[in-house]
Amino acid sequence: DQQVKQNSPSLSVQEGRISILNCDYTNSMFDYFLWYKKYPAEGPTFLISISSIKDKNEDGRFTVFLNKSAKHLSLHIVPSQPGDSAVYFCAASDTGNQFYFGTGTSLTVIP
Amino acid sequence: DGGITQSPKYLFRKEGQNVTLSCEQNLNHDAMYWYRQDPGQGLRLIYYSQIVNDFQKGDIAEGYSVSREKKESFPLTVTSAQKNPTAFYLCASSPLFPSPGEQYFGPGTRLTVT
Repeated sequence: DQQVKQNSPSLSVQEGRISILNCDYTNSMFDYFLWYKKYPAEGPTFLISISSIKDKNEDGRFTVFLNKSAKHLSLHIVPSQPGDSAVYFCAASDTGNQFYFGTGTSLTVIP
Repeated sequence: DGGITQSPKYLFRKEGQNVTLSCEQNLNHDAMYWYRQDPGQGLRLIYYSQIVNDFQKGDIAEGYSVSREKKESFPLTVTSAQKNPTAFYLCASSPLFPSPGEQYFGPGTRLTVT
């Protein structure tokens, strides 16, 4: 049973516009959430994280929003750049022992 | 410089053979993980280890074995019992103290079994 879900397998946006990637989770014990970026045939690289005590974390063009009541988090990329084209995974952890990953969203930023 | 190395990047084996994938980290991380990625799927946890000489099964441990004799190393053996071994395998590590942190991933090994 998938505890972390990314319901949009793909997303296309124009360069300069906002990209919004969504992630839902089912386990209310999750207290740490992360976003990773992955290029083909490479390992994922960490992008940004958020603890459950916050509802927003910002790092440059990347902002993660957490809505605990809805068990939903989102990643906003503003402005989107062609180099942002990759697969984005969200992940969640309850105690840090295990990380649960979504199935990924493939983002294409059109120049 | 610090990081995680996985070798080899591509590996080919005949059905029925065991194969061991290497994973080494020099980040001084306590925890190490093995994931498998299949097309259209997320990362699925095979095994993880938080301390030397101890490891735990993940969601899809059947047909796999691991060892953690050194903090820096966490090799994964894909045995002949694994029904669908062809996949992209990713190793990761993370700190545990003072608090869990993000995982750092290696470049991955693509295993093809024919």
